[in-house]
Amino acid sequence: AQSVTQLGSHVSVSEGALVLLRCNYSSSVPPYLFWYVQYPNQGLQLLLKYTTGATLVKGINGFEAEFKKSETSFHLTKPSAHMSDAAEYFCAVSRWDDKIIFGKGTRLHILP
Amino acid sequence: DAGVIQSPRHEVTEMGQEVTLRCKPISGHNSLFWYRQTMMRGLELLIYFNNNVPIDDSGMPEDRFSAKMPNASFSTLKIQPSEPRDSAVYFCASSPGQGGNTIYFGEGSWLTVV
Repeated sequence: AQSVTQLGSHVSVSEGALVLLRCNYSSSVPPYLFWYVQYPNQGLQLLLKYTTGATLVKGINGFEAEFKKSETSFHLTKPSAHMSDAAEYFCAVSRWDDKIIFGKGTRLHILP
Repeated sequence: DAGVIQSPRHEVTEMGQEVTLRCKPISGHNSLFWYRQTMMRGLELLIYFNNNVPIDDSGMPEDRFSAKMPNASFSTLKIQPSEPRDSAVYFCASSPGQGGNTIYFGEGSWLTVV
C-alpha cells in the first residue's frame, strides 16, 4: 500500500525567504510523485510531478522538488517566497496501475 | 479547453433532503474521481471510475452516498438523505488514465446541510 506523510500542517516563512515543504512517501513499487497547490476557494492544480528520469523536477511559479529514493522523500522548495505563494500544498503518490493518494496538506503562510 | 465542470457550485439544503452533485470531466479523460474536503478530515477520495466503471468505492462513507457514471461525459454523486455532517466541498476530478497521469480538478461544489 502507498502512503504520503507531510511534515507540518502549517508552515510560515518570511517574504523572500526559502520555502521548504516536506513530503515522505511509502511505496512498494517505483512511485509517481506529485505536488498540487490549492488557492482559497479553488480546486487543486498541479505544481509539478516526477514519473521517471531526472530526479530534480521543476514546476510552475519557481517551485522545484527532488526525488530522493534513499530517503523516500520528495520535498518541495522555492528559493524566495512571494506573498502570492500563500496556499495549501498537497504531496501525492501513485503507481502506474492505481489511484493517486494525497497527503493531508501543508498550509503555507507568508509573513511580510 | 474546458476544464472539469461541476454543478452546482453552492448548495444549501435541509437535513433529510436528497442532494445531487454533477460533474462533466474533460473530454477524452477516462478516469474520474470524486473527493470530499473538510477541515477535520482533509481531502478524501470517495470513489473513482475508469472507463465508466467504478474501480474503488472504499471511500464512500455509507449507503446514503451513491455515485454513477452513465457515460464518459457525465457523473453524479448523490446523498440521500443528507445530514449536517455531510457539509463539505466535493471535488470532481478527471485524468487521462491511472498512475502517473495528472489529475485535473473542478472548482468544487460547496454543500451546506442545515
